[in-house]
Amino acid sequence: SAVISQKPSRDICQRGTSLTIQCQVDSQVTMMFWYRQQPGQSLTLIATANQGSEATYESGFVIDKFPISRPNLTFSTLTVSNMSPEDSSIYLCSDSSGGGGHPETQYFGPGTRLLVL
Amino acid sequence: GENVEQHPSTLSVQEGDSAVIKCTYSDSASNYFPWYKQELGKRPQLIIDIRSNVGEKKDQRIAVTLNKTAKHFSLHITETQPEDSAVYFCAASLQGGSEKLVFGKGTKLTVNP
Repeated sequence: SAVISQKPSRDICQRGTSLTIQCQVDSQVTMMFWYRQQPGQSLTLIATANQGSEATYESGFVIDKFPISRPNLTFSTLTVSNMSPEDSSIYLCSDSSGGGGHPETQYFGPGTRLLVL
Repeated sequence: GENVEQHPSTLSVQEGDSAVIKCTYSDSASNYFPWYKQELGKRPQLIIDIRSNVGEKKDQRIAVTLNKTAKHFSLHITETQPEDSAVYFCAASLQGGSEKLVFGKGTKLTVNP
């Protein structure tokens, strides 16, 4: 599987500010996804980051709040805009590398732990 | 849309015993079912997965079974060890062949030495 890294690993932010999280994969991957994992909860898909086009957002998530970029096949960013304490969460990116020829297999980055005060 | 139910939410076993976690899904078109293990403060790690064309898959102490008719799949861990303690998540693919996954709510497994 590809090696996935995220920056920053953690951050503490003031409400009303924005934070951009970077996700880097060490090889070209077909799909990249962004998830949110609230404390003690499961993983919720925010959006699919599409290379060269607008991201596809899941119900309950909008581009104005979570703008996403994917300029190439190895990199994506997620911005959490106008943050409130409710945005405190772990944000994870994942890739679908087609491991073994199966595109559904997803591997996760280490996550970004965000605390909004 | 797809809905994945996972049970139990917590599971405590003695070292050496077996552990079983069960998931049900709603979309009959789903055809890919991975299991992830997440240790505290770590990323979810894929431990085993199964596709709809097989009924069972094993990898050492871990096995997954799939019943497509009943739309449920299970994770079996034998000879549990303290290092198996973690939160386990099941997931199911959306709309058969889609790249997206829907996750269960997780099972916190504690293996007591």
